[in-house]
Amino acid sequence: DVKVTQSSRYLVKRTGEKVFLECVQDMDHENMFWYRQDPGLGLRLIYFSYDVKMKEKGDIPEGYSVSREKKERFSLILESASTNQTSMYLCASSLSTEQFFGPGTRLTVL
Amino acid sequence: EDQVTQSPEALRLQEGESSSLNCSYTVSGLRGLFWYRQDPGKGPEFLFTLYSAGEEKEKERLKATLTKKESFLHITAPKPEDSATYLCASSLFNTDKLIFGTGTRLQVFP
Repeated sequence: DVKVTQSSRYLVKRTGEKVFLECVQDMDHENMFWYRQDPGLGLRLIYFSYDVKMKEKGDIPEGYSVSREKKERFSLILESASTNQTSMYLCASSLSTEQFFGPGTRLTVL
Repeated sequence: EDQVTQSPEALRLQEGESSSLNCSYTVSGLRGLFWYRQDPGKGPEFLFTLYSAGEEKEKERLKATLTKKESFLHITAPKPEDSATYLCASSLFNTDKLIFGTGTRLQVFP
């Protein structure tokens, strides 16, 4: 079974802090994705990566950056957290089109 | 614009009362149609992939079907443990990105 893990289930940060969300997959998948999920808006793609050190912007990249130094690990970085980044963050990985998700990180920015 | 729309937003069923969830898509070139189940506070869990009109897939009380414009998730004799949000997503040719609908929240009462 594919396993995607995320570093934290719940996280509380203050406005202006730098925040790191980490995601690890154990299936040697090429593709990795970061989404945020908000009520009524569904899943929105922030960034994705097709290979190590490669990244592409999704639909809402503003305020975020990513890092992929190893194939199995994809990090989402909030350079200066703001209250409108309070959300559920979901990481996913895929070999082609079927994406497998991690458990999510509920981030609250105060 | 490529879009996925799910209806209804919410559905309340009595245990044993069969029904269907709808996912309509307007995309430029469908590569695959995906169904996920999401429990509160958790990441989406992959259920099915459908690739061509007329295709059907089943898993326990769930059956997914696909036409050229929409997909249905049929739930036969549902049980309370089927309560969850069901997400639909489409993928397009030349990309591994998914476009998600906003989901149908299903509640099954005993």
